[in-house]
Order: sequence, then structure tokens, then C-alpha cells
Amino acid sequence: NAGVMQNPRHLVRRRGQEARLRCSPMKGHSHVYWYRQLPEEGLKFMVYLQKENIIDESGMPKERFSAEFPKEGPSILRIQQVVRGDSAAYFCASSVDTQYFGPGTRLTVL
Amino acid sequence: AQSVTQPDIHITVSEGASLELRCNYSYGATPYLFWYVQSPGQGLQLLLKYFSGDTLVQGIKGFEAEFKRSQSSFNLRKPSVHWSDAAEYFCAAGGAAGNKLTFGGGTRVLVKP
Repeated sequence: NAGVMQNPRHLVRRRGQEARLRCSPMKGHSHVYWYRQLPEEGLKFMVYLQKENIIDESGMPKERFSAEFPKEGPSILRIQQVVRGDSAAYFCASSVDTQYFGPGTRLTVL
Repeated sequence: AQSVTQPDIHITVSEGASLELRCNYSYGATPYLFWYVQSPGQGLQLLLKYFSGDTLVQGIKGFEAEFKRSQSSFNLRKPSVHWSDAAEYFCAAGGAAGNKLTFGGGTRVLVKP
């Protein structure tokens, strides 16, 4: 049983570009969570999704960030018009009752 | 507000010595509690979890943790550390199974030969 998959593992964008981060949950898991880890900090919750529904987006910045988990395919975290402060590691987790984490996507904004 | 505190930012321990990492939580009710480990450049691996029942929880890699309601703590222990235990350790709490997790700031463990 494959674990949580994330791609790309590393992503470099210039200021103003869009970043798309993908997450495929573990087989049988219908809950997906996104977290952000800034340098030298712990993980901060961003959004919790189930298939085709956003359950909790209380940690999402109000602008430029969006997330989806379609009926088919991976969950996507989209960051529009990236700024240098968006540089971070973005982790996805999936769960039934316990969250298992993917390897993360490290976003660098030049 | 829900919060998780890991008072120690760095801990250095000699190989073969015991290790204890502290974690305190502030929650409205008894939360679900977790310890994760992160090696440099990697994702988080679950070490152990507490939902209910026996307050001493056994995990992988020889780790254990004890839930103490009176102290709002969930400290992680290992009797004898190995060089491969050098990593960052995160304590996390959730309101229920499936809810979002609140993480502590992490404790970085260095292991001396």
C-alpha cells in the first residue's frame, strides 16, 4: 500500500507566477489535509478536504490560495501570484482517523 | 485557544543515553495526541498516538509516551538512543479523529557519539 504521494518534491517559481502542488492520499483515505512549514517552524494547518468538499479552511490565507479535492484525481493546492513569503515546505496528509504525511513539496520563490 | 508547547528547542544526548522530550497541550477537552519525527528534508513519520485507554503508549523505533491528564502533558521517551534518532520531533494534538492537528514548534535532537 503506497503512502501519501506528493509532487513535485521541489518547485521553483518567480514572483507573480502560479504554483500547483499535488497530493494523492493513501488508498482508502478520503480525508486530505494541507499544512505549511516555514523555515525553523512547526507545521501550521491550512485546509481540510474530503472528496469534492472543503470541510475546514480556517488556516488558509484569504487571498491567492485555494485548494480542491475532486472526485477523480489528486488534491491540488494552488497559490496564485506567489511572493517570497510563500517559500516553505507544504505537506499533505491523509487519514481515516490518524493522519499520515507525504514527503512534502518544497517551494522556493525567487 | 488550542495550543501545543514543546519547551525544548534543542536537545543533545549521547548515544546510548536516555531521551525525554516534553510536550504540553492546552485544549478544551482531552485531545487526541501524536508524536511525529522528521528527518532533514523529509516528511513526517508517525511514532505513536494516544486516543484513549492505557496512558502509556508504545510506538515504533523503541519510543514510548505517557499521557498525564493532571499535567496536560504527553512526554516522549526512549531508554537508549541510537545515532539514527537524530531528527526533529513534533508533538501534535487534534480535537477528534480526523480533525486538523495543532503542532508544537518541534524539538531538534542531536546525538553525540
